[in-house]
Amino acid sequence: GENVEQHPSTLSVQEGDSAVIKCTYSDSASNYFPWYKQELGKRPQLIIDIRSNVGEKKDQRIAVTLNKTAKHFSLHITETQPEDSAVYFCAASEAGNQFYFGTGTSLTVIP
Amino acid sequence: NAGVMQNPRHLVRRRGQEARLRCSPMKGHSHVYWYRQLPEEGLKFMVYLQKENIIDESGMPKERFSAEFPKEGPSILRIQQVVRGDSAAYFCASSPQGASNQPQHFGDGTRLSIL
Repeated sequence: GENVEQHPSTLSVQEGDSAVIKCTYSDSASNYFPWYKQELGKRPQLIIDIRSNVGEKKDQRIAVTLNKTAKHFSLHITETQPEDSAVYFCAASEAGNQFYFGTGTSLTVIP
Repeated sequence: NAGVMQNPRHLVRRRGQEARLRCSPMKGHSHVYWYRQLPEEGLKFMVYLQKENIIDESGMPKERFSAEFPKEGPSILRIQQVVRGDSAAYFCASSPQGASNQPQHFGDGTRLSIL
């Protein structure tokens, strides 16, 4: 089955700086890669996703890049704000419809 | 459009009792997924269901755990004879189609505590 690895597990940045979270996957059949943000005690919320026919996608301060050859994808958050502090999960989905999640990155934005 | 609804939000059971967790998908969604999340860990897939069918239960423990999604009513995750290790947050997600490139929308979860 698919194996998704996520790094770093914790990340602290100063407000206004950029944050980058990286994930790798093992199954070349995976073709959908969502990112979820989870605040303490709350539900995971989809913040951005990318499909395998696209190399990069942006939504305001958030961007995701995908390298199919290397089997890795990354989340980029620019101009970070304190409200960006949360746990971020990457996921990969193969043809079997399961989502395989990474182990999460706890992001802290220091005011 | 109401989101994915899970109840109860918190559930306390004693060892040996049964736990029933309910999930109503978003309107128009016919695919339901259950995940388990231990403290400070990621989400682990348990089971994928469509109406009246279990599509993939490869993440479900072989014993004590079962899931259903009847023609009418919510999806149910049932845990029999609960043990301390079952304490976790259980999240349900739904999607409009089962295709692998569709986003899943999560409910608020049920926090299960075993005394």
